[in-house]
Amino acid sequence: AQTVTQSQPEMSVQEAETVTLSCTYDTSENNYYLFWYKQPPSRQMILVIRQEAYKQQNATENRFSVNFQKAAKSFSLKISDSQLGDTAMYFCALAGGTSYGKLTFGQGTILTVHP
Amino acid sequence: GAVVSQHPSWVICKSGTSVKIECRSLDFQATTMFWYRQFPKQSLMLMATSNEGSKATYEQGVEKDKFLINHASLTLSTLTVTSAHPEDSSFYICSARTGNRYEQYFGPGTRLTVT
Repeated sequence: AQTVTQSQPEMSVQEAETVTLSCTYDTSENNYYLFWYKQPPSRQMILVIRQEAYKQQNATENRFSVNFQKAAKSFSLKISDSQLGDTAMYFCALAGGTSYGKLTFGQGTILTVHP
Repeated sequence: GAVVSQHPSWVICKSGTSVKIECRSLDFQATTMFWYRQFPKQSLMLMATSNEGSKATYEQGVEKDKFLINHASLTLSTLTVTSAHPEDSSFYICSARTGNRYEQYFGPGTRLTVT
């Protein structure tokens, strides 16, 4: 069974500052993908960033980057230069080889960016 | 690209009636579609997985006779909540993926209120 754990129910950050959201996971698969999704108040799920487990290089997308520690099964998301529009619920998710594409989601972290 | 739509975005129905929610992939062929349920400030709970032309696979604890899923084409899946009751009130989200890609593209969700 696959599990994803987000231990920070809520986080807050000042505009323009940097914040890191934590995620740990467990899987027996060798080939898997990790994702961070953002769900703003509109509730539309938006893909923020994706990491393929066989790639050692950490993924980056503009102000968003991850720290992927495969041995520790850790996958944190760093948001630099936080903006008010980053206020949302963030979900860490895992898709593994035998799960037929099913995503296992963490509990979510509510991030609030203050002006 | 990779846009998924849902209709309706919001529906109110009376207890005992049935309601159908449509999920469409607008610019790609969705070989697999997923249906989730989400309560406020909680994570997404996978209800079922459907492959085009096949019967849906339901997660443990999800009543297949209550939540009817049809994936008749590569661009359309429907979720019918039969004999709805107030406890079925929730936010329902569909997602779709194509081929062997792990990435899922999410619809905007449907808010169901049963009175």
